[in-house]
Amino acid sequence: DGGITQSPKYLFRKEGQNVTLSCEQNLNHDAMYWYRQDPGQGLRLIYYSQIVNDFQKGDIAEGYSVSREKKESFPLTVTSAQKNPTAFYLCASSTGTRTYEQYFGPGTRLTVT
Amino acid sequence: QQQVKQSPQSLIVQKGGISIINCAYENTAFDYFPWYQQFPGKGPALLIAIRPDVSEKKEGRFTISFNKSAKQFSLHIMDSQPGDSATYFCAASMGAAGNKLTFGGGTRVLVKP
Repeated sequence: DGGITQSPKYLFRKEGQNVTLSCEQNLNHDAMYWYRQDPGQGLRLIYYSQIVNDFQKGDIAEGYSVSREKKESFPLTVTSAQKNPTAFYLCASSTGTRTYEQYFGPGTRLTVT
Repeated sequence: QQQVKQSPQSLIVQKGGISIINCAYENTAFDYFPWYQQFPGKGPALLIAIRPDVSEKKEGRFTISFNKSAKQFSLHIMDSQPGDSATYFCAASMGAAGNKLTFGGGTRVLVKP
């Protein structure tokens, strides 16, 4: 089955700790994305990557970091510098030629207390 | 800076009725307009997409209408069913490839039986 996996589904952390969210895809897609979704709000782009070893900041990159060492993997680290990290995080991927058609993972709900 | 404005934030429709969601954009460089459907606790999934050289596109009970001069587009869900109850997001992209998506704020649709 081709798709995107995100783990874990629920994640709890204490304030001041860095935490890394996993995203893996086996769709052979070139592009990958990280979004943040807050209750009742739309999707806000954190980082995206069009190709291995390259990534760009999205609209709300402050307090987050990413890496793209492998085509199939795009982990997101939520650092202690992120002022309000509690949210639903969604990873997505697309082909390089149809970036408007994004395939989303099931999401990780991060709670920081 | 919200480049894609979506309305209403929520709507309730009776089974068999028509759900209408509207979006407006500002950037005339946008030229791909997809709609995504998201069920609670899940990632969004692409529903239907349109380019501005087409005024209407229909897939089953879902129809996109596009008004290029007004910079507006809308989603109509005909014969709404309880299973259509979800959050719907419009989005816009500059080109098919190599660009990010800008999402609207989302519309929560509840279809009452």
